[in-house]
Formats: sequence, C-alpha cells, structure tokens
Amino acid sequence: ELKVEQNPLFLSMQEGKNYTIYCNYSTTSDRLYWYRQDPGKSLESLFVLLSNGAVKQEGRLMASLDTKARLSTLHITAAVHDLSATYFCAVDIKGAQKLVFGQGTRLTINP
Amino acid sequence: DGGITQSPKYLFRKEGQNVTLSCEQNLNHDAMYWYRQDPGQGLRLIYYSQIVNDFQKGDIAEGYSVSREKKESFPLTVTSAQKNPTAFYLCASGGWTDNSPLHFGNGTRLTVT
Repeated sequence: ELKVEQNPLFLSMQEGKNYTIYCNYSTTSDRLYWYRQDPGKSLESLFVLLSNGAVKQEGRLMASLDTKARLSTLHITAAVHDLSATYFCAVDIKGAQKLVFGQGTRLTINP
Repeated sequence: DGGITQSPKYLFRKEGQNVTLSCEQNLNHDAMYWYRQDPGQGLRLIYYSQIVNDFQKGDIAEGYSVSREKKESFPLTVTSAQKNPTAFYLCASGGWTDNSPLHFGNGTRLTVT
C-alpha cells in the first residue's frame, strides 16, 4: 500500500524567509504532483514532476523530485503573505492511474 | 472553456436520506474520481472510473455508490449507510496519457444533521 507523508503538517513563517516542505512516499512511482488549496476552495495544480532529478520553478516556489530517495521537496523563497495556503503532494500509483495524497501542509505567512 | 462542474456547492440533508452529488466534465478525460476531504485532513479516494460503464472502489467506498453511464458524468450517491457523511467532496478527472495533473471541480460541501 502506497503511503505519502508530508512534513511539517503546520508551518508558520515570516515574510521574506525561506522554507522547505518535504514529501516522502513508500513505493516506486513515476509521477509526483504538488497542489495548492485555499480555505474552502478546490485544489489548484502547481507542479507535475515526472522523472528523477526533475526540478520545476514558478515564482517563489520550486519543486524537486528524487525517485531513488522517494522524496520530493517544495521550496519557498522569500515568502509573501499570498502564499498562505495548504499544500498537498500526491503520488501516482504506478499503472493504477490514481493519486494518493499526503496529509497536507498548512502554511501561514505572517507580515 | 473546459472544466469540471460540481453541483450543488452546498447540500443539507437529514440523516437517513440518500443524496446524489453531480460531477460533469467537458475535458474529454477517460478517468474520473471522487475524493472526500474532512476538516484539516488530506484527500481520501472514494471511487474512481477509468472508462465508461466501469468503476472501482477506492479506500473508503463503504456507504457510497457511483455510476458511469456517460464519459462526461460521474455522479456520487451518499447513502444512509455512510456513518459520517458530512464532508467536502471533490470530483476530479484526468487524461493520464498527456502527463497532465488531475483537474478538480470546485467541490460540494455536504452537511447531514
């Protein structure tokens, strides 16, 4: 059974600081996804990581994937308040075409 | 514009009643999914369908039923057998062949009293 674990689950940080959210998963997978969710809203896709060593960046967010370590990171650079949200990673069960989600990291960025 | 439409946005029901949540997509995706989200929690898979007229149970299928008679539509029925139905329900669809992510609808918040 595929398990996906994120840490930390809660993160409160100040504007301008850098931080990293970690996503570990338990079995082989080719694809990893990062989503953002604002309170009461749906999920918005941020990144799709498809291969070992993949790195993608959008604004102040950068995601990477190490399939050998079964680890993905979401790095936040010089955080701003607008990035406050819950961030989920999700992993594709190889061949099954379904995603298993982590518990989510609730990020609060204080002015 | 292509997308996924869930309705209604809010739904209130009395305990013991069945209720059906609608999900329609015009993205021409073969696969559709229903997830449940409880406050402060991640998403758990209820049912999924990879092709018309076929569907599989997810991790928490008990008390739920689905149908997939058309490619565009994947309704979810929450039956009276579901012990704790109050939750936020999210429908998603995906093409998988194009390496794109799952696309999510805006969700239905169900409250059962």
